[in-house]
Amino acid sequence: NAGVMQNPRHLVRRRGQEARLRCSPMKGHSHVYWYRQLPEEGLKFMVYLQKENIIDESGMPKERFSAEFPKEGPSILRIQQVVRGDSAAYFCASSPGGGAGSGNTIYFGEGSWLTVV
Amino acid sequence: GQQLNQSPQSMFIQEGEDVSMNCTSSSIFNTWLWYKQDPGEGPVLLIALYKAGELTSNGRLTAQFGITRKDSFLNISASIPSDVGIYFCAGRFNAGNNRKLIWGLGTSLAVNP
Repeated sequence: NAGVMQNPRHLVRRRGQEARLRCSPMKGHSHVYWYRQLPEEGLKFMVYLQKENIIDESGMPKERFSAEFPKEGPSILRIQQVVRGDSAAYFCASSPGGGAGSGNTIYFGEGSWLTVV
Repeated sequence: GQQLNQSPQSMFIQEGEDVSMNCTSSSIFNTWLWYKQDPGEGPVLLIALYKAGELTSNGRLTAQFGITRKDSFLNISASIPSDVGIYFCAGRFNAGNNRKLIWGLGTSLAVNP
């Protein structure tokens, strides 16, 4: 999973500020996924993107959260007006895409830990 | 949302013992993935399975894609202390743009040296 790069690894924000988390997928991967993980819990799907398109955002909170994957540059997960409940680890993952088989396999980055104080 | 039934929830074993964990689903899948997560790190892919009945090994790890396409298991042989961590299963049935993985809640493994 070394190929999926996330930054920052750790981010501290005060309530009401904005948090921006970046993800560069593995080389050759055109599909990006964002997951959230609370302490002692499993991974919760947030959003699935391809270049310039949001494919599935069924796991995204309706307000304050947005994601993009522009034609050039990394994918960005943006959280506006953060609250304490947003404190979590946010993982980005990528896959090659394509049809069945190995195109489905997703590889994770090392995560971005957001702490809201 | 939908989740897989992963069991056991936690295991505490002696070094050298074999370990088995499994996941079941109410839906059929065409992909099963097994990941391990260490504290403070992202999940690392252990084994990927793409065909019903497929049995795949990765060192001391072996995983199988169930014939019914609704289950998978992961075995670890001769456990060692560095096997400690949380193991997650994930599955998916691809249809159109549906690429969302369904996740188990994890099996926490502790190994007593």
